[in-house]
Amino acid sequence: AQTVTQSQPEMSVQEAETVTLSCTYDTSESDYYLFWYKQPPSRQMILVIRQEAYKQQNATENRFSVNFQKAAKSFSLKISDSQLGDAAMYFCAYRKLGNTGKLIFGQGTTLQVKP
Amino acid sequence: EAGVTQFPSHSVIEKGQTVTLRCDPISGHDNLYWYRRVMGKEIKFLLHFVKESKQDESGMPNNRFLAERTGGTYSTLKVQPAELEDSGVYFCASSQGLMEYFGPGTRLTVL
Repeated sequence: AQTVTQSQPEMSVQEAETVTLSCTYDTSESDYYLFWYKQPPSRQMILVIRQEAYKQQNATENRFSVNFQKAAKSFSLKISDSQLGDAAMYFCAYRKLGNTGKLIFGQGTTLQVKP
Repeated sequence: EAGVTQFPSHSVIEKGQTVTLRCDPISGHDNLYWYRRVMGKEIKFLLHFVKESKQDESGMPNNRFLAERTGGTYSTLKVQPAELEDSGVYFCASSQGLMEYFGPGTRLTVL
């Protein structure tokens, strides 16, 4: 069975600095998707970034980028130039290849951004 | 375009009572998912509808949970009778393709 592990329950970063959130996963599949979701205090979860495992290039979305290490089964999220609005709970998630199917989530990391 | 909506936002009930949660997906989305997060733990999948059919209900914890999606539009998740361990946040998500859109969740407290 696939599992996702986030070993950092809480992280903090100074505004304008860079922070990296860790995520590891376990799967026997060779192709799959990995996601980072953000859940602000208002509770609606939104997609931050997506990585297809068959793509070697790390995904980037503005200030958010990932370090995808397929062999190590590691998928960390880097947030550059942190802003107060980045404060939220971040979830790493895995899905098998295909357009539908369940997401398997990690435990979440609460990110605090200090002014 | 309206997003995924869930009702109620909060529910407090006593052990043994029944609660029904509702999810309205984004219009036109065939896929509807239910997840829940028990305090401090990871978000866990409950089940997946494709239109009105249950595609995957492997995450349903026991037969006290009943999900329906009549007509392939909104979905309900009924817990009967509720137990203390059912407390948590219940999320609904819908998709028509790779990206899932989540609702704000229903926080269920069973006393």
